[in-house]
Amino acid sequence: NAGVTQTPKFQVLKTGQSMTLQCAQDMNHNSMYWYRQDPGMGLRLIYYSASEGTTDKGEVPNGYNVSRLNKREFSLRLESAAPSQTSVYFCASRLLAGLNEQFFGPGTRLTVL
Amino acid sequence: GESVGLHLPTLSVQEGDNSIINCAYSNSASDYFIWYKQESGKGPQFIIDIRSNMDKRQGQRVTVLLNKTVKHLSLQIAATQPGDSAVYFCAENRSDKIYNQGGKLIFGQGTELSVKP
Repeated sequence: NAGVTQTPKFQVLKTGQSMTLQCAQDMNHNSMYWYRQDPGMGLRLIYYSASEGTTDKGEVPNGYNVSRLNKREFSLRLESAAPSQTSVYFCASRLLAGLNEQFFGPGTRLTVL
Repeated sequence: GESVGLHLPTLSVQEGDNSIINCAYSNSASDYFIWYKQESGKGPQFIIDIRSNMDKRQGQRVTVLLNKTVKHLSLQIAATQPGDSAVYFCAENRSDKIYNQGGKLIFGQGTELSVKP
């Protein structure tokens, strides 16, 4: 099992460009999450999908959109990147959105110039 | 609201000593808590969890204590080793009672543990 995989690992964008971060899990988990992590800070939830077919906003959703493509895949889109979106992005999955652990991917380091 | 300070709390211990990392959580309705370890350049890794109906749980070399009265969580690491050097995060699960969707994890700021050989 690969667990949670993310692509790309690194990305540099110019202000105003768009891109999609990809995430996939092979653990047959129902719930998937996108977080961002800024230097010296914890992880902040951007969006999540408690189950296939549903998505909900987290703490910091502005400037992002998500798509739960199927049970395995959950993508995060930046329509018009801004320097404030420079961060490390982590995808995570969980068997159920409840009393069980989340498994994290290795992260995508995004720089917006 | 957002955290402004970028200075992580730090804890420095001698190899072989016990470490205690503390965390205050905010929501008295949170029903599940997890400790994660994050090494530089990697994603967070699960260490141990505890449900709100418990006050103590032990794993291999780690113990989590939960005090719901003061909304405090602690992680104890016995015989700390250089490989334990990392940032440690606590996370609380907040259930979505309206939609009964189980919940989402909200993370604390983190504590950087440094182990001196």
